[in-house]
Amino acid sequence: AQKVTQAQTEISVVEKEDVTLDCVYETRDTTYYLFWYKQPPSGELVFLIRRNSFDEQNEISGRYSWNFQKSTSSFNFTITASQVVDSAVYFCALSEGVNAGKSTFGDGTTLTVKP
Amino acid sequence: DTAVSQTPKYLVTQMGNDKSIKCEQNLGHDTMYWYKQDSKKFLKIMFSYNNKELIINETVPNRFSPKSPDKAHLNLHINSLELGDSAVYFCASSQVRPLFDRERNEQFFGPGTRLTVL
Repeated sequence: AQKVTQAQTEISVVEKEDVTLDCVYETRDTTYYLFWYKQPPSGELVFLIRRNSFDEQNEISGRYSWNFQKSTSSFNFTITASQVVDSAVYFCALSEGVNAGKSTFGDGTTLTVKP
Repeated sequence: DTAVSQTPKYLVTQMGNDKSIKCEQNLGHDTMYWYKQDSKKFLKIMFSYNNKELIINETVPNRFSPKSPDKAHLNLHINSLELGDSAVYFCASSQVRPLFDRERNEQFFGPGTRLTVL
């Protein structure tokens, strides 16, 4: 069975601080996919990244970076120099299928960035 | 132009009714999805569908059914609505890429439909 744990329910930081959102997953499959999504206060959902289990390269996109460690079953997300606009709920998800059709989501981490 | 659109934005209805939520994407994607977000903000995928495969989350009651008249549309039909169906429903689409393709396989989401069952 799949499981995704986002142990941090809420995080609060001050603008310009770096913050890491943790995601730990469980799966018996050797082929799987990991996702991060953002949901700002306005309520829309925004896809951030997909990573497959064979690709442990870390990824950087602007102030966002992702650290995938199969040895610890973790796919952590770091925001560098956080901004108020980063305030949102962030969801990590795990999927057996390439098209996210069998995804399991974590409960989400609410990030508040204060000015 | 809106990439993924959903109608209606709000839906209030009585228990026991049958309702539909429509979703359309103009991105030419081959796969569409329905997600449910409950009152506690927990997110769950309900279905993914392309012209080859329908994947159903086994926790979804069979009162829920996706219907795809064509590649650009995936509508959600709900029969015999229950109080617990109250939630926000999101539609999404993506162009599914092979395992080793490092393209982002980005999913685009609709604005959501807030369903309230009284």
